[in-house]
Amino acid sequence: ETGVTQTPRHLVMGMTNKKSLKCEQHLGHNAMYWYKQSAKKPLELMFVYSLEERVENNSVPSRFSPECPNSSHLFLHLHTLQPEDSALYLCASSPQRGLNTEAFFGQGTRLTVV
Amino acid sequence: QKEVEQNSGPLSVPEGAIASLNCTYSDRGSQSFFWYRQYSGKSPELIMSIYSNGDKEDGRFTAQLNKASQYVSLLIRDSQPSDSATYLCAVTYRSGYSTLTFGKGTMLLVSP
Repeated sequence: ETGVTQTPRHLVMGMTNKKSLKCEQHLGHNAMYWYKQSAKKPLELMFVYSLEERVENNSVPSRFSPECPNSSHLFLHLHTLQPEDSALYLCASSPQRGLNTEAFFGQGTRLTVV
Repeated sequence: QKEVEQNSGPLSVPEGAIASLNCTYSDRGSQSFFWYRQYSGKSPELIMSIYSNGDKEDGRFTAQLNKASQYVSLLIRDSQPSDSATYLCAVTYRSGYSTLTFGKGTMLLVSP
């Protein structure tokens, strides 16, 4: 059982749908992250939140919209996605944002856009 | 552009052998280095971190860091079939927001 929980585990959505991915961490961490993992590509950082403030937006299209209502919860709101957005979306948390901090991942949401 | 390079593999070793996984990084400003293990269809799991030159051992795992050569490796002794997975190297750079940059990963196959 991981300290970082993501729901749903699998999601199939049409290009006109709106859906949200949820992440919850039970580790008392102050930083949370969204990563995208596509086949044959490295993990790509999408967003970073530190103490509920977004500190990095890695040139992600506006059809992805993050929300961090508190230090334990992180959402990724999806709308008008494209088939190439199909990937594994991973949430991670770390004690703080810093050089030697270790990040812990949730189980991921496997997203398929049809 | 900061890059982390790994041989995609697969690296095949027999059970009981030592598996050696390698990673190079492009920026001398790199400060922290991590190895993650990812089983197929699962999320990455942190197995080792190393911050200074030299070796760090934890059970069957040894991480080795050489900042002068911009090289980090992971040795797995007495490899088991359950070690078969993709191993991701990740690096934190001093600049920016100190977030992780990942390599594509090396697939390890341990045969019984």
